[in-house]
Amino acid sequence: DTGVSQNPRHKITKRGQNVTFRCDPISEHNRLYWYRQTLGQGPEFLTYFQNEAQLEKSRLLSDRFSAERPKGSFSTLEIQRTEQGDSAMYLCASSFDRGRLSNEQFFGPGTRLTVL
Amino acid sequence: EDKVVQSPLSLVVHEGDTVTLNCSYEVTNFRSLLWYKQEKKAPTFLFMLTSSGIEKKSGRLSSILDKKELFSILNITATQTGDSAIYLCAVEAVGGNEKLTFGTGTRLTIIP
Repeated sequence: DTGVSQNPRHKITKRGQNVTFRCDPISEHNRLYWYRQTLGQGPEFLTYFQNEAQLEKSRLLSDRFSAERPKGSFSTLEIQRTEQGDSAMYLCASSFDRGRLSNEQFFGPGTRLTVL
Repeated sequence: EDKVVQSPLSLVVHEGDTVTLNCSYEVTNFRSLLWYKQEKKAPTFLFMLTSSGIEKKSGRLSSILDKKELFSILNITATQTGDSAIYLCAVEAVGGNEKLTFGTGTRLTIIP
């Protein structure tokens, strides 16, 4: 399968625990994005990587959130000291940089996080 | 701050009907508008629109952009139960690292 993959698909954790999610983008895509989606809302941008460089972080991304993309391939999103408000679907997307041209983002299946 | 508003929020129609979904936006330095379909999982890409007045078609789905009035519509003709989903509209700005700003979506339900 050559699409975007995410693991795990579901995660249930207790408040205060740390969690880590993984995203594997489409192999030739150099751009990777994380979004968060809550019930009844569209996805909200969290952060963006071009290759291994994290170029932008949303205000939504508090100090408890950190993302990495070592070697410009897969990415991880870690949430420390989880809170119930972190419960959401975490979506990863990737795209190929075509310079000044727009390029569609392809989304993974998401990781659904439930914080008890 | 970029903003996308979709209407209606929810729509229920009978199989075979034609529907029109609306998306209006406010964005600094507009680059493109995208439509996605979301069933139970990740959004799947439908269309990308960058120029006004040029209709994009894929089977029974079509979409058009009006950059002067800052809106787009998504049409679905001869709807089928498999069209039931949330339809998301998103905009991309120049110099915005291509991040997408999404609307809340339109939940479309097709009754057999």
